[in-house]
Amino acid sequence: ETGVTQTPRHLVMGMTNKKSLKCEQHLGHNAMYWYKQSAKKPLELMFVYSLEERVENNSVPSRFSPECPNSSHLFLHLHTLQPEDSALYLCASSLILAGEGNEQFFGPGTRLTVL
Amino acid sequence: GQNIDQPTEMTATEGAIVQINCTYQTSGFNGLFWYQQHAGEAPTFLSYNVLDGLEEKGRFSSFLSRSKGYSYLLLKELQMKDSASYLCAVRDSNYQLIWGAGTKLIIKP
Repeated sequence: ETGVTQTPRHLVMGMTNKKSLKCEQHLGHNAMYWYKQSAKKPLELMFVYSLEERVENNSVPSRFSPECPNSSHLFLHLHTLQPEDSALYLCASSLILAGEGNEQFFGPGTRLTVL
Repeated sequence: GQNIDQPTEMTATEGAIVQINCTYQTSGFNGLFWYQQHAGEAPTFLSYNVLDGLEEKGRFSSFLSRSKGYSYLLLKELQMKDSASYLCAVRDSNYQLIWGAGTKLIIKP
């Protein structure tokens, strides 16, 4: 496999469920990101990890809990979500956190629906 | 606050040229990116500008004016497969990417 993969691609959950989103990158990158994408809104950066350490947490509710066990894997644990959390959740990676160029490579996303 | 503005939607004809504008107000500037996102797919990197001027890459070109806080993406010889959303993003002084809401480009035959 190449690039950035995400599973599952689609997820429907109730407000009382607990689920996890998984992201894996095969690019040898050191920085990984979680974004939320809602219709007609800018991408919202949720969490940033650099070398497995969280460096950014943009006031995300505690019902979203990230985990980065190594530089290739990133998880987003979900519990007691609200219907307004329904969105496309995108994972991305970049070679390093900062520096010249350094574009981010995105996974296909998980389409989450909270009932 | 930080802000990226781009048109919500544009329509163009197959074979024509279209210019998608992006204006920004950010705390610092460390580069501007354009991404393409087809419906239901991941955003894919198109171009990067950090200095003023035009960067050309095949049918796509991107222009930057830092003094005006302005960029555009120029698409030539439009093809139906170019129908997608085009996202403008600016990296601020903290190297954080600030994203626009995207421009949905519709190509008509």
